[in-house]
Amino acid sequence: KAGVTQTPRYLIKTRGQQVTLSCSPISGHRSVSWYQQTPGQGLQFLFEYFSETQRNKGNFPGRFSGRQFSNSRSEMNVSTLELGDSALYLCASSSPPPQGPSSYNEQFFGPGTRLTVL
Amino acid sequence: GDSVTQMEGPVTLSEEAFLTINCTYTATGYPSLFWYVQYPGEGLQLLLKATKADDKGSNKGFEATYRKETTSFHLEKGSVQVSDSAVYFCALQILTGGGNKLTFGTGTQLKVEL
Repeated sequence: KAGVTQTPRYLIKTRGQQVTLSCSPISGHRSVSWYQQTPGQGLQFLFEYFSETQRNKGNFPGRFSGRQFSNSRSEMNVSTLELGDSALYLCASSSPPPQGPSSYNEQFFGPGTRLTVL
Repeated sequence: GDSVTQMEGPVTLSEEAFLTINCTYTATGYPSLFWYVQYPGEGLQLLLKATKADDKGSNKGFEATYRKETTSFHLEKGSVQVSDSAVYFCALQILTGGGNKLTFGTGTQLKVEL
């Protein structure tokens, strides 16, 4: 089974531009989550999509948005880029959890997209 | 809110040394706990997990026990190898009404030398 894929792997943009990152989940997975990783803030949750609907959202400004398509692929968009948006953006996919009190959703992470804003 | 605190790095050990990376958490509900590992240039890989108190997660010689009374989930390995050099993240997830939000600690870099 192929893993989570993210494109592009590396991206360089300038301040004020916008960018779109793509994530293809593992086949059969319907949930896609996005995380931002920076040296200063660590790993922070951006948002999660499940069946084309945003299910959870982190504390990021409205410049950060996302969407999910009917095939579960997801994109995230950052508008009006700032220097502080330079980061590794990770996406993770999971399938619906098994039932039971100890059920949990194991998330499988992609390799990330390294965004540099100049 | 939910938070995870783990020890600062980098941690530098000699091969075959004993490893402990401390992790404590604060959660508004009953969390599941995880350790993820990130090798250079790669994404995160789930190392081990525990979903309820007193559970012990284990994988590849690493172990961690879910201690509800001390809100801790310390990572241990009896004998580290150079190949264990990576960044280790402790994380929690609250399972209420679905949703996959993971809350991570800041990460601890481990360097193992010959």
